[in-house]
Amino acid sequence: GQQLNQSPQSMFIQEGEDVSMNCTSSSIFNTWLWYKQDPGEGPVLLIALYKAGELTSNGRLTAQFGITRKDSFLNISASIPSDVGIYFCAGRYISNFGNEKLTFGTGTRLTIIP
Amino acid sequence: NAGVTQTPKFRILKIGQSMTLQCTQDMNHNYMYWYRQDPGMGLKLIYYSVGAGITDKGEVPNGYNVSRSTTEDFPLRLELAAPSQTSVYFCASSYAGSKNIQYFGAGTRLSVL
Repeated sequence: GQQLNQSPQSMFIQEGEDVSMNCTSSSIFNTWLWYKQDPGEGPVLLIALYKAGELTSNGRLTAQFGITRKDSFLNISASIPSDVGIYFCAGRYISNFGNEKLTFGTGTRLTIIP
Repeated sequence: NAGVTQTPKFRILKIGQSMTLQCTQDMNHNYMYWYRQDPGMGLKLIYYSVGAGITDKGEVPNGYNVSRSTTEDFPLRLELAAPSQTSVYFCASSYAGSKNIQYFGAGTRLSVL
């Protein structure tokens, strides 16, 4: 099965630093989604992107839908301790017949060094 | 708001045992999904349902069965548990439509020994 290429796999940063992660795919998507997963919990949606080129912010988070529809990035500014967790990208493709497929990246584990 | 509720949170099975993972949602979503998450990996779709009485296979359906008799419930059945089914299982639900977003449960951690 297809998986998105998400990088980096892990990041170790100091509080206050900015963070950037991205996902690339060989296939196009109609929608890009970014989720955060805390330990022992399910993924929680952070940002949804619906159009190629779209740039969307949610507080300190900013994400963009690549113009080729094959990539997306997520930036976190001025990181804080509660940003720790695993971030997943997901690409959604909806066919002309209405069939939907959601493909997840392998995740970026964010750790904040005291 | 309860959202998507999964039970149990943890379970240990012996090889060959069977069990049902429960999932219920109170958001009147018509779509429901089951994923598994292996260590260091993203989520992989096992089965999904677009409405009561309708189910379809995802990417990794072998060894699992599902049913959807009501809008609210979407149980996942393991008939003959195998060590390869050791994983964390997530249930999700969403509305249909181009802007639907999947909401996830907290997961069931399953170990098959």
